[in-house]
Amino acid sequence: DIQMTQSPSSLSASVGDRVTITCRTSQTINNYLNWYHQKPGKAPKLLIFGASNLQSGVPSRFSGSGSGTHFTLTISSLQLEDFATYYCQQSFTIPHTFGQGTKLEIK
Amino acid sequence: QVQLQESGPGLVKPSETLSLTCAVSGTSINYYYWTWIRQPPGKGLEWLGHFSYSEITQYNPSLERRLTFLVDTSKNYFSMHLTSVTAADTAVYYCARRKWLQETDAFDIWGQGTMVTVSS
Repeated sequence: DIQMTQSPSSLSASVGDRVTITCRTSQTINNYLNWYHQKPGKAPKLLIFGASNLQSGVPSRFSGSGSGTHFTLTISSLQLEDFATYYCQQSFTIPHTFGQGTKLEIK
Repeated sequence: QVQLQESGPGLVKPSETLSLTCAVSGTSINYYYWTWIRQPPGKGLEWLGHFSYSEITQYNPSLERRLTFLVDTSKNYFSMHLTSVTAADTAVYYCARRKWLQETDAFDIWGQGTMVTVSS
């Protein structure tokens, strides 16, 4: 299985901050990397697909980059509704695997 | 719009079979891949497997011996059946749509999830 490692595991930030979360994979996955966020008691929501493509309806403050084994998700200016847990996920090979999550909390 | 709704028993006894259904509305189940994902309390997400309208089914190898997916195209819903459950199978179970997006794919629509506890 492809191992997904996110960093940091948790992060405290303030409204308006710029935040970057990293996802590294144990083998190359080209650009088959997606990002989701999840709020407590809710299902995950797709933010970025194919490493850098913004899902329809997602605010433009979210952006993704990377290829191969190193990927990043950036939120340019944090809003209150962005405080959640973020997951990366690879769809390059079976089984599809997720990172362990990055919990973004209000400072 | 497309909506998914999971249903099933909230409590299952150890060694029994966990069965869940996912009702699809707003699109035909004959399109796309349909996926099951679970999340143990306080933990991360685990992909269980998917199937497509063309009957391609792939399971997570860690669960393949215990897992079966079925589909009822006339009623536009699909189901999963996990045998010989233990406490380790306690989780929120989600169904989701896997959609091809610009030559890659992602889970773009999710159900609300249903909590299943394995306990005697």
